[in-house]
Amino acid sequence: DTAVSQTPKYLVTQMGNDKSIKCEQNLGHDTMYWYKQDSKKFLKIMFSYNNKELIINETVPNRFSPKSPDKAHLNLHINSLELGDSAVYFCASSQGLTGELFFGEGSRLTVL
Amino acid sequence: AQSVAQPEDQVNVAEGNPLTVKCTYSVSGNPYLFWYVQYPNRGLQFLLKYITGDNLVKGSYGFEAEFNKSQTSFHLKKPSALVSDSALYFCAVRDLNTGGFKTIFGAGTRLFVKA
Repeated sequence: DTAVSQTPKYLVTQMGNDKSIKCEQNLGHDTMYWYKQDSKKFLKIMFSYNNKELIINETVPNRFSPKSPDKAHLNLHINSLELGDSAVYFCASSQGLTGELFFGEGSRLTVL
Repeated sequence: AQSVAQPEDQVNVAEGNPLTVKCTYSVSGNPYLFWYVQYPNRGLQFLLKYITGDNLVKGSYGFEAEFNKSQTSFHLKKPSALVSDSALYFCAVRDLNTGGFKTIFGAGTRLFVKA
């Protein structure tokens, strides 16, 4: 049973298109995140949700819209894709102030 | 602002030798520190964390880390490296200024273990 699962694993699309990535965790955690990993492997937080409520929005363009229908799910929709959006997007979850992050396997987005 | 620094892009070590991957931190207040490992085309996996208590923390796969408050360091160590330890290692700090809802990662250190 995968703890944090995200789909799809790969997305290849044209500039200007819209795409979505879905994430689900079965760990019962209250907090979920989206991280972006660029081609140099830098990891940057995008969003943090706690019990379906947006807590952190790390100056991400409005084209990125997260949605958390319940605390086990956190989806990411991206409008009007740009070349610079190409990256690996990781979903993660954690519990409490001291809990470690559990990561999904990542979704590799390539914008052509 | 809370941050962690990993001064080495890459560490090379021979199999069987001890390894150290360095991390220094800059935080206001008590640091909550973590190490993660990433294998190619995989998500990050948690190795160990320091929250409070004993300065020597033991984690998964034989890894340990030493919290040093005076040097603001949290170096990752292993007494005897394996080829299978070759991966990308990230040090991270929980940003308590944002209520703990943000974890900040270092730039990563690539470990190569040669047989």
